[in-house]
Amino acid sequence: NAGVTQTPKFQVLKTGQSMTLQCAQDMNHEYMSWYRQDPGMGLRLIHYSVGAGITDQGEVPNGYNVSRSTTEDFPLRLLSAAPSQTSVYFCASSLDRDGKNIQYFGAGTRLSVL
Amino acid sequence: AQSVTQPDIHITVSEGASLELRCNYSYGATPLFWYVQSPGQGLQLLLKYFSGDTLVQGIKGFEAEFKRSQSSFNLRKPSVHWSDAAEYFCAVGASSSYKLIFGSGTRLLVRP
Repeated sequence: NAGVTQTPKFQVLKTGQSMTLQCAQDMNHEYMSWYRQDPGMGLRLIHYSVGAGITDQGEVPNGYNVSRSTTEDFPLRLLSAAPSQTSVYFCASSLDRDGKNIQYFGAGTRLSVL
Repeated sequence: AQSVTQPDIHITVSEGASLELRCNYSYGATPLFWYVQSPGQGLQLLLKYFSGDTLVQGIKGFEAEFKRSQSSFNLRKPSVHWSDAAEYFCAVGASSSYKLIFGSGTRLLVRP
């Protein structure tokens, strides 16, 4: 079972470039989320989705777009990368069972914006 | 807004010694989670607390105790192994557990 798969693992961008971070899960989880991890700040929620076709903003959504056309995939788009978006990005998925929702994380994408 | 505080940025312990990592939360305490991140890796769930028995057991010999009176959910291990060196994150479910608020993390170093 692959779990949560993120691609690419590493990426270097120039300021102003665009790219899409991919996230796929094969556990049929309804919930998916994107977090960014910065030194000394833990992980902060960027966007999340509670099901196909439904997305919402988290704590730090500016500069990022998401869509959820299928249950399996939840891509994160940077339309015009900025150095402040240099970070490690984690995707997570989860399923609500009896009111308990436990998130499982991918291995992360390390992004540098020059 | 809900928040999670991990007061210790770094902790160093000797192999075989006991360990306690501190986590304090604001109102709306549950659910609570501890995750571990090894260098260059993703986050792995160590344990979780939703309700019920306030002492919860997790993987790798870790346990945590929910103390409402102290607003704490500290992580403990009786005897640390060198392989436990990693960064540990405490998190709380914000209004629902699919939206997590994380503490800033505690990096554990283990002396031989």
